[in-house]
Amino acid sequence: EPEVTQTPSHQVTQMGQEVILRCVPISNHLYFYWYRQILGQKVEFLVSFYNNEISEKSEIFDDQFSVERPDGSNFTLKIRSTKLEDSAMYFCASRRLAGVYFTDTQYFGPGTRLTVL
Amino acid sequence: TQLLEQSPQFLSIQEGENLTVYCNSSSVFSSLQWYRQEPGEGPVLLVTVVTGGEVKKLKRLTFQFGDARKDSSLHITAAQPGDTGLYLCAGALSQAGTALIFGKGTTLSVSS
Repeated sequence: EPEVTQTPSHQVTQMGQEVILRCVPISNHLYFYWYRQILGQKVEFLVSFYNNEISEKSEIFDDQFSVERPDGSNFTLKIRSTKLEDSAMYFCASRRLAGVYFTDTQYFGPGTRLTVL
Repeated sequence: TQLLEQSPQFLSIQEGENLTVYCNSSSVFSSLQWYRQEPGEGPVLLVTVVTGGEVKKLKRLTFQFGDARKDSSLHITAAQPGDTGLYLCAGALSQAGTALIFGKGTTLSVSS
């Protein structure tokens, strides 16, 4: 069964450094998302992406964050200058198109654990 | 602020018991999804409910979407130790691709 994959599984970085988290969504999916989960807290929405542009973003997704679909398979989240509070699990999710409507179901990847020191 | 309140937060039961987890909101959702999440892993989809009043069954798990599409429940019959884990509900406010709003989750522990 197709799955969303994410790399790396764990990223450790120094405060102020740039990180790029990578995701390969399910191949026939067209809507992509990033979420994060700080340890012990609930999963929070960051951004959604469709047709090569941001569809919606949360207050968390400030100017330090950006997303890109550099080719036909990858979807990336870049954090320009990491802060201690960016330490979290980051999940990519994707959603397919069914006919002319999207189905509601989002499928999640295994996550990247980002640790900012 | 849209909130999805999930209860109980923690549940510890014996093998063979039944349990129900609730997910409530004042917002109307176009759909609601239930996930299970293991420590250090991503949420794994269990079911999506779309129609008010809808009931879906997945083996010993029964999911219901409220008539007004503001609430949902997950009922597990004859719980087994393998059911141990974190159960999350997540609602979509519209079909237009908006973000999922997650509850805080219910941590279930089933002991033999």
